[in-house]
Amino acid sequence: DADVTQTPRNRITKTGKRIMLECSQTKGHDRMYWYRQDPGLGLRLIYYSFDVKDINKGEISDGYSVSRQAQAKFSLSLESAIPNQTALYFCATSEPRYNEQFFGPGTRLTVL
Amino acid sequence: AQSVTQLDSHVSVSEGTPVLLRCNYSSSYSPSLFWYVQHPNKGLQLLLKYTSAATLVKGINGFEAEFKKSETSFHLTKPSAHMSDAAEYFCVVSPPGYFQKLVFGTGTRLLVSP
Repeated sequence: DADVTQTPRNRITKTGKRIMLECSQTKGHDRMYWYRQDPGLGLRLIYYSFDVKDINKGEISDGYSVSRQAQAKFSLSLESAIPNQTALYFCATSEPRYNEQFFGPGTRLTVL
Repeated sequence: AQSVTQLDSHVSVSEGTPVLLRCNYSSSYSPSLFWYVQHPNKGLQLLLKYTSAATLVKGINGFEAEFKKSETSFHLTKPSAHMSDAAEYFCVVSPPGYFQKLVFGTGTRLLVSP
């Protein structure tokens, strides 16, 4: 998991604040993903990127935006955080040839 | 559309006894199937994957799973549980094709008692 890092690991913020979660990878993968995990719901896809110029919405993109600054970096932003965005957020990477995704350690976000 | 149903939200076993975590899938096409494990405060780690090769798949830490197309199941098993196996386990399906979207089950928490 050290190949995919996320910062910060924990964050507490207030309603209405702008928050950025960052993901970096050293695996050399072109594809990167952002998921959120809520208790009892598994992981749900927020955004995904096949390369620096190719960014796509996932199933729950409302209230989120992303930026792919380089092949190795993919950031998730909450423009105006709200309490129901309290969750565990995961970044993942993969290669086109294989379905396996490699996950970072997660960021626990609490919006008060 | 793809979907996954994990039949148990919690499974409790004693150390040294067998583990069975159940997963049923729905897919229009021959899918890829995965089991991921999440230890407390950790990211997800791939345990094993099925990609249309052998139907009995062996993974890490003594886990294995059998793909049964007739039953649309992909249950995870281990002959003898260890305390370190206590974690949350996710069954995941992915359709064939270019976009490797993973569809996650809701997870099964495995509790292992001494």
